[in-house]
Amino acid sequence: AQTVTQSQPEMSVQEAETVTLSCTYDTSESDYYLFWYKQPPSRQMILVIRQEAYKQQNATENRFSVNFQKAAKSFSLKISDSQLGDAAMYFCAVLGNRDDKIIFGKGTRLHILP
Amino acid sequence: DVKVTQSSRYLVKRTGEKVFLECVQDMDHENMFWYRQDPGLGLRLIYFSYDVKMKEKGDIPEGYSVSREKKERFSLILESASTNQTSMYLCASSLWGRARGYTFGSGTRLTVV
Repeated sequence: AQTVTQSQPEMSVQEAETVTLSCTYDTSESDYYLFWYKQPPSRQMILVIRQEAYKQQNATENRFSVNFQKAAKSFSLKISDSQLGDAAMYFCAVLGNRDDKIIFGKGTRLHILP
Repeated sequence: DVKVTQSSRYLVKRTGEKVFLECVQDMDHENMFWYRQDPGLGLRLIYFSYDVKMKEKGDIPEGYSVSREKKERFSLILESASTNQTSMYLCASSLWGRARGYTFGSGTRLTVV
């Protein structure tokens, strides 16, 4: 079974600062994918960033980057130059190769302070 | 862009009613999923389907059933709604084996009174 743990239910960051959201996971599969999803107040889940476990290089999408530590099963999300529009619930998730089911963590609510 | 449409944004139903939540996707995705989202519990998988007329139980299927008669439509059915089924319901779809993650609908907030 796969599990995802997000240990920070809520976080706050000052606008323009950098914040890191933590995520650890567990999977028995050798080939898997990791995701961070954002859910703003509109409720629409948006894919922020995706990491393939076989790639050692950390994924980056503009102001969003990950720190993927495969041995430690850690997958943190770094948001640089935080903006008011980044305020949302963020979900870490893992997808195994066998059954196409994504397992989500419980989420971290991020507040941006103006 | 793939679009996943959930028929209702807000829904209020009475205890004991039969409730249908509809989800339609327009990009020929094989896989469709129903999740339930509750504060502090994240997203929990109710049912999923890999093809027409196929269905698989997720982690919390009790009290729910599903129907997939056409590839683009995946319905979640609450046979006899109860107050503990008050929640946000999210539908998602994906292409098999592409591992690009899901495309989600915008959710249905169901209140059972």
